[in-house]
Amino acid sequence: EAEVAQSPRYKITEKSQAVAFWCDPISGHATLYWYRQILGQGPELLVQFQDESVVDDSQLPKDRFSAERLKGVDSTLKIQPAELGDSAMYLCASSLTSGQNYEQYFGPGTRLTVT
Amino acid sequence: AQSVTQLGSHVSVSEGALVLLRCNYSSSVPPYLFWYVQYPNQGLQLLLKYTTGATLVKGINGFEAEFKKSETSFHLTKPSAHMSDAAEYFCAVSAISSNTGKLIFGQGTTLQVKP
Repeated sequence: EAEVAQSPRYKITEKSQAVAFWCDPISGHATLYWYRQILGQGPELLVQFQDESVVDDSQLPKDRFSAERLKGVDSTLKIQPAELGDSAMYLCASSLTSGQNYEQYFGPGTRLTVT
Repeated sequence: AQSVTQLGSHVSVSEGALVLLRCNYSSSVPPYLFWYVQYPNQGLQLLLKYTTGATLVKGINGFEAEFKKSETSFHLTKPSAHMSDAAEYFCAVSAISSNTGKLIFGQGTTLQVKP
């Protein structure tokens, strides 16, 4: 069964350092989502791509976060510089296309700890 | 704006007992509603979803949920809990206004199943 792949699974970094996460969606899925899940809370959407275009990045802290999906396939989420409050699980999800009728499939996540 | 409230951050039941996880939503238009399960250090898996039509929705692993418009609720139930049901459960609503499929999650409920 096809799955969403994410790496690394765990990352520890010091504050002010740069960190990057990678996501490979299910093959053929046009829509890709990055969510942030702070411990004890539900996931919150950071950015949504349709193919290589950003559809929604209203909750992305653009002063330090960036995301790209250059060829409309895999994606990278970067934080620079990392802050203590960025410690969270970063989840990637993909769907066939955008819209409520299309199930989002989630990857295992990258757990980030900023010290 | 849409929002989701899950009543009770922790629920504990005995194996074989009824599971009831509560979810209330706020939406100015008919919502799409979802329940997801998250096992430790894993991504989210869709349990069930309500779009339109029948208000009682059956999902995987014996779970079901009933959409009650008058109560703005979408509670999750399972007649008999198994040890393997221990996990975190998230209720989510879809932001219909944007039609992008963006999910707005509740804060989650941790289900503990005692032998």
